[in-house]
Amino acid sequence: SQQGEEDPQALSIQEGENATMNCSYKTSINNLQWYRQNSGRGLVHLILIRSNEREKHSGRLRVTLDTSKKSSSLLITASRAADTASYFCATGGSNYKLTFGKGTLLTVNP
Amino acid sequence: GAGVSQSPSNKVTEKGKDVELRCDPISGHTALYWYRQSLGQGLEFLIYFQGNSAPDKSGLPSDRFSAERTGGSVSTLTIQRTQQEDSAVYLCASSRRAGAIYEQYFGPGTRLTVT
Repeated sequence: SQQGEEDPQALSIQEGENATMNCSYKTSINNLQWYRQNSGRGLVHLILIRSNEREKHSGRLRVTLDTSKKSSSLLITASRAADTASYFCATGGSNYKLTFGKGTLLTVNP
Repeated sequence: GAGVSQSPSNKVTEKGKDVELRCDPISGHTALYWYRQSLGQGLEFLIYFQGNSAPDKSGLPSDRFSAERTGGSVSTLTIQRTQQEDSAVYLCASSRRAGAIYEQYFGPGTRLTVT
């Protein structure tokens, strides 16, 4: 079963706007990762946030983690058409496994 | 190598035939993962390897699915007697070591269509 659930399922914005995607999960985690997927092919790792971290930045990306609410958000600022993709959160527990959600499809219109 | 490679990129096969999908991980990565992604869905974990061993095969959907890894490098995923529900993109990933803390590097996937 899926651990992470992204919200919304789809998001359409204009270039230059910010995009926020959320992820909720059910069990305790060691870390949470965000990945991007273009055109249904391979995924690209974006950022990892550990369970003892609350916020992390990487370029135009900002990730927050609230372990009390079992939720995370991914903010993309000043979006570009090239940001159009599906975004997945993946939760890591104490073992080897990453469990992926179903993803948010982001469309950035020029 | 520069990244994870998979072959073929696309495979169309008739129901009942066997198929082999290949994954070549990043050199030096000891962990290798196979996932399946159906249209519009998230990733379904299938199996992972640490070296040549597969400690957890519980994600394989049926006994028609098998995988092996040789020399701690290339892995093949074999689907016997393919069914239409096997149609999906099969993604392979590798990481420096097995463990959820490590970033996984994905290949471009093999799109399998069973007619």
